[in-house]
Amino acid sequence: NAGVTQTPKFQVLKTGQSMTLQCAQDMNHNSMYWYRQDPGMGLRLIYYSASEGTTDKGEVPNGYNVSRLNKREFSLRLESAAPSQTSVYFCASSERGLGSGGGVDTQYFGPGTRLTVL
Amino acid sequence: LAKTTQPISMDSYEGQEVNITCSHNNIATNDYITWYQQFPSQGPRFIIQGYKTKVTNEVASLFIPADRKSSTLSLPRVSLSDTAVYYCLVERAGSYQLTFGKGTKLSVIP
Repeated sequence: NAGVTQTPKFQVLKTGQSMTLQCAQDMNHNSMYWYRQDPGMGLRLIYYSASEGTTDKGEVPNGYNVSRLNKREFSLRLESAAPSQTSVYFCASSERGLGSGGGVDTQYFGPGTRLTVL
Repeated sequence: LAKTTQPISMDSYEGQEVNITCSHNNIATNDYITWYQQFPSQGPRFIIQGYKTKVTNEVASLFIPADRKSSTLSLPRVSLSDTAVYYCLVERAGSYQLTFGKGTKLSVIP
């Protein structure tokens, strides 16, 4: 079991370039998440997907788009990168899905992608 | 969703018990509290989760008072390998509304 995998591990972009961060999980989880982590800011939710075919905005969605390609994969796209998007990006997954009722569950995180936008 | 406040950093000697408190004054009835641990260059990892009173597992305890406006993660007899950043998370049940704290960097000293 690889858990949650992310590619690439590191990336340097120039302002205005685009790129897609890839995430995959092999735990048959329903929910997937994208976070960014900045120094002194903790983790902030960018987008999430409660099930295959659905995506929703989190706290900081501006400048990003996502695709839930299938149950395993959830990608994050930067259409026109800006220096303010320099950050470490984490993908996570959890078991619950839409209509799973009350309660919360455990999120499993990938190793992260360190992105620098010049 | 409730804002969370944690100390930025803490130091502790090996073998001591460490308590890290997270304040969440505006916590709602259906909000849960979870703590995660993060080592450098890794993603966060689940430690413990609770709603009220006390929860204990093999690595930590979580104390939540009756008013639930704060929570305390307790790590018994820390070792050097417990040096990490610890995050509290407040999450609303049945939704995807969640807020992570900014993290507490714990340094364990030999």
